[in-house]
Amino acid sequence: AQSVTQLDSQVPVFEEAPVELRCNYSSSVSVYLFWYVQYPNQGLQLLLKYLSGSTLVKSINGFEAEFNKSQTSFHLRKPSVHISDTAEYFCAVSDDGSNQGGKLIFGQGTELSVKP
Amino acid sequence: KAGVTQTPRYLIKTRGQQVTLSCSPISGHRSVSWYQQTPGQGLQFLFEYFSETQRNKGNFPGRFSGRQFSNSRSEMNVSTLELGDSALYLCASSYGRVLQETQYFGPGTRLLVL
Repeated sequence: AQSVTQLDSQVPVFEEAPVELRCNYSSSVSVYLFWYVQYPNQGLQLLLKYLSGSTLVKSINGFEAEFNKSQTSFHLRKPSVHISDTAEYFCAVSDDGSNQGGKLIFGQGTELSVKP
Repeated sequence: KAGVTQTPRYLIKTRGQQVTLSCSPISGHRSVSWYQQTPGQGLQFLFEYFSETQRNKGNFPGRFSGRQFSNSRSEMNVSTLELGDSALYLCASSYGRVLQETQYFGPGTRLLVL
């Protein structure tokens, strides 16, 4: 069965510092990987996704993630964070091994707290 | 384009009651999925509807049910509420049910069971 592990439940960081949020997945078939962000009292918004092709994917607000098949990882990075990046971040996976269209498996989330 | 809307936003019920939550997807989207979010269990998939048919179901008891209408709007129902059903219920829509589709989430309905 698929699973997603987010290795850090909370990541405190100072403004303008770099950050990495770690995500590992387990699946024996081709996967599609997503990072979603949830701001307080809101739903989830897609940050970026990996479907195929280039293993490095980027978002419009400076985040990037690299798909590493050998390490089954999809870590999220940002070289310089802002106060406004404070939110909870979720890594998610879907796969095509069982006709499970429409189903995302989420990690437990990482709370990113950016301090001035 | 309007986003995914969910009603009501907040709900308080007592144990044993039933509740119906509503989700209106983005115009043109045909797939609606439901997720339950709790501090302990995180985000868990409930079910997915596409073209008025349930296509996929998570590991939840039969008290949790849903349906989709011809205009793609969806409702989920929880009967005989338990304290543990207190959660944020999120609805997400996508154009199709292809695995690579981006799902667009609504703001959620926060259910408190007393």
